[in-house]
Amino acid sequence: DTAVSQTPKYLVTQMGNDKSIKCEQNLGHDTMYWYKQDSKKFLKIMFSYNNKELIINETVPNRFSPKSPDKAHLNLHINSLELGDSAVYFCASSQDRTSGSYEQYFGPGTRLTVT
Amino acid sequence: QKEVEQDPGPLSVPEGAIVSLNCTYSNSAFQYFMWYRQYSRKGPELLMYTYSSGNKEDGRFTAQVDKSSKYISLFIRDSQPSDSATYLCAMSGWGSSNTGKLIFGQGTTLQVKP
Repeated sequence: DTAVSQTPKYLVTQMGNDKSIKCEQNLGHDTMYWYKQDSKKFLKIMFSYNNKELIINETVPNRFSPKSPDKAHLNLHINSLELGDSAVYFCASSQDRTSGSYEQYFGPGTRLTVT
Repeated sequence: QKEVEQDPGPLSVPEGAIVSLNCTYSNSAFQYFMWYRQYSRKGPELLMYTYSSGNKEDGRFTAQVDKSSKYISLFIRDSQPSDSATYLCAMSGWGSSNTGKLIFGQGTTLQVKP
C-alpha cells in the first residue's frame, strides 16, 4: 500500500549512459513532481506535471526529460549522464496544483551514482 | 543569496530538550510555510504547514511564522531520540500562478541523544 513508489532505489552507471527512473502514485493525485537532492541535502524542484500537462520546468539541462503517460505515473529519463548528475532524485505528488503549495507526498528516492 | 536560508547544523541535544529550528527568507510573496522531516535514506514527510503569519501547534511540535521579519521557526518540546532526522523548511505560493512550486531550505540535521 505504498503511496508514492520509485524504481530503482539505487542506480550506479557510467558517464555517457542513458537511464530512466520511474515513479508511480496510488493516491489518486493529479499533480506529480521531480526533485533533485544534492550531497548537502539541498532539495530543488525540477519538473511538475498536472494531469499529464507540464506546469513547472525549472532550469534543468535538456538531457533531462520527464514523461507522464498518465496522471499516476511520472518518469524521468536522463541522457548522456554526467558526474554532476549524481544525487538523490525524489518523486512527489499532491492532490492538485493548488494543494501542492502546502502538502506534497514524497517517494523514497532514487540514489543515482555516476562513475 | 538563496531565497530560503537554514542553518544546516548539525544540532545535538539531550533527550527531553526543547529544540528550535529556524529559517529566514527573502521573498515577501511566500504565503505557505511548511516543515518536512527526513529520516536518513528516506523521502521527506510533511510535519506541519501554516498559512501566513501566526502559530500552529500539533502535539509536541509548534510552527511559528513571522512574515514581518521573514522568519519561521519549528519548536519541538520534550525531544525524543526518534526525532533525530533532518528538518527541512519549505515555502510557496505567490500570485495567481500557484503551481505548487516549493522552495526548500538546506535542512537542519538534528540528533537527540538518549
